[in-house]
Amino acid sequence: AQSVTQLDSQVPVFEEAPVELRCNYSSSVSVYLFWYVQYPNQGLQLLLKYLSGSTLVESINGFEAEFNKSQTSFHLRKPSVHISDTAEYFCAVSEVIKAAGNKLTFGGGTRVLVKP
Amino acid sequence: NAGVTQTPKFQVLKTGQSMTLQCAQDMNHEYMSWYRQDPGMGLRLIHYSVGAGITDQGEVPNGYNVSRSTTEDFPLRLLSAAPSQTSVYFCASSYGRVKFFGPGTRLTVL
Repeated sequence: AQSVTQLDSQVPVFEEAPVELRCNYSSSVSVYLFWYVQYPNQGLQLLLKYLSGSTLVESINGFEAEFNKSQTSFHLRKPSVHISDTAEYFCAVSEVIKAAGNKLTFGGGTRVLVKP
Repeated sequence: NAGVTQTPKFQVLKTGQSMTLQCAQDMNHEYMSWYRQDPGMGLRLIHYSVGAGITDQGEVPNGYNVSRSTTEDFPLRLLSAAPSQTSVYFCASSYGRVKFFGPGTRLTVL
């Protein structure tokens, strides 16, 4: 079984400031890693994912996350946030083994509130 | 291409009532799943299906039933609603390892 811990439940940040959302996971097997974003009153959307290859992955709207296997972390960063980045962000993992199918285990979420 | 659709958007039930949350997708995805979202707990898997006629339990299945008669539809049934089932419910379909979520159903059980 795996688990995901998002260390911050809320992160207030000023517009144009950097932000880091922390995610640590626990698993006895190899995992795929994901960040999903939920804008107010909407469903979740995939922000970025790590499946293999380069440990640094980027999204189209300026977020990046780095997979650190030794620290079992997948922290999300953005160097300069916009008001429109106000949302809740969820880290999630899925076991690599095919038998796991598409089951995702989610962290508790981090609410980002961008202030002008 | 509507993606994943859910109805209703909002629902209020009394304890003991039953209802069905509808979910449909038009992307021909084999894998579909139901999650509930509660504050501070992220999303927890209720039931999932790997194709028509095949369903299985997730992390929190008690009090919920599912069926999958077609690839497109995956309804979630609450047999006898309880206040503990007050939550936001999300349906998702998957392509590869990526999930596509519906807009959610906010359910309140009084």
